[in-house]
Amino acid sequence: GDSVTQMEGPVTLSEEAFLTINCTYTATGYPSLFWYVQYPGEGLQLLLKATKADDKGSNKGFEATYRKETTSFHLEKGSVQVSDSAVYFCALRGPGANSKLTFGKGITLSVRP
Amino acid sequence: GAGVSQTPSNKVTEKGKYVELRCDPISGHTALYWYRQSLGQGPEFLIYFQGTGAADDSGLPNDRFFAVRPEGSVSTLKIQRTERGDSAVYLCASSTDGTSSYNEQFFGPGTRLTVL
Repeated sequence: GDSVTQMEGPVTLSEEAFLTINCTYTATGYPSLFWYVQYPGEGLQLLLKATKADDKGSNKGFEATYRKETTSFHLEKGSVQVSDSAVYFCALRGPGANSKLTFGKGITLSVRP
Repeated sequence: GAGVSQTPSNKVTEKGKYVELRCDPISGHTALYWYRQSLGQGPEFLIYFQGTGAADDSGLPNDRFFAVRPEGSVSTLKIQRTERGDSAVYLCASSTDGTSSYNEQFFGPGTRLTVL
């Protein structure tokens, strides 16, 4: 079945550091890929998405590129802020009528001033 | 417009009891999903409704779990004979149409269920 693997956490960075959070997936067909974020005390929110190979999703300075050849969707940001401290989840969704999201375990990011 | 709402926000019950968790999706969203998030894990799919019918219930762990959406709007997740292993945050999400992978799922704040 479909699965998503995220790098182990937690991750602690200083403000303005470069961020990479790794995500790889296993799926049949051509899934859509997502990054969700959960800020402290809030619900899950969509951060960015990519629906086909080589697409780049971007939002709030974060980027991720759908790499079919390496089955990866790594999340990057050039300069993190304290306000980026949150839990980040990579997820996939199968094409067509297969509508459920399959999530990775999530990784906690803490950014210190 | 209001987002997805879930009630109660917290529920504490005793082993063996019955519980109901409610989800109010975004108005007009025909697709509704339930997920369960255990501590330190990502959300796991339970069931998906398209309108009033359950289009995919493959994630329900056993027959103690049941969900309904009788009028195609509000949904209730029902858990019978609760067990300590059922303790988790139960998340509800809705989207405009569940048949396309392009449609965003909007999540509610969740119900934290604790079974003592």
